[in-house]
Amino acid sequence: DTAVSQTPKYLVTQMGNDKSIKCEQNLGHDTMYWYKQDSKKFLKIMFSYNNKELIINETVPNRFSPKSPDKAHLNLHINSLELGDSAVYFCASSLGTVSYNEQFFGPGTRLTVL
Amino acid sequence: GENVEQHPSTLSVQEGDSAVIKCTYSDSASNYFPWYKQELGKGPQLIIDIRSNVGEKKDQRIAVTLNKTAKHFSLHITETQPEDSAVYFCAAGGSGTYKYIFGTGTRLKVLA
Repeated sequence: DTAVSQTPKYLVTQMGNDKSIKCEQNLGHDTMYWYKQDSKKFLKIMFSYNNKELIINETVPNRFSPKSPDKAHLNLHINSLELGDSAVYFCASSLGTVSYNEQFFGPGTRLTVL
Repeated sequence: GENVEQHPSTLSVQEGDSAVIKCTYSDSASNYFPWYKQELGKGPQLIIDIRSNVGEKKDQRIAVTLNKTAKHFSLHITETQPEDSAVYFCAAGGSGTYKYIFGTGTRLKVLA
């Protein structure tokens, strides 16, 4: 199936650990995004890459580092996890960088920091 | 800064009734307004969108209206069905930018 996929779907870890979330899209898109959705369902963009280049970097702590090895993949690495990092993280992709290109979202990764 | 307000935060309607969700944006450069539906345990999915050169758009039971002067846009769902129950997000995208500012979401419950 053509889609945006994320692994893992659930991630439970201790405070202070380092973890990664992987995202892959096979839609042929050249722009990918990471969003954070908190417990109140508020959806906020964190990063965006276009053709492996960082184009959006919101005010996200340096502990979060995205990496795009190629156009189809955008991974998110989080160092020194904190309780406040608990959220659902969504990867998305779109064709091109203009605003009216539909963003396709992955199923999300629920991160729980204990 | 850029902001999108969305109301109501929760909405319960009887099956067959209409539902209306309203959003207000602050950035006058915004020119694209998508609406996303998020079902439980899934990612948001685009259901309808509208560009700033159009005042209304309809797709079967779903319609969106835009008032650029007032910076308001609304989602209208008619003849609601239980499967319409979900969280709905509005968003605003700016001219030449790919960044969406999302509203705070509306949890819609359609009661059978």
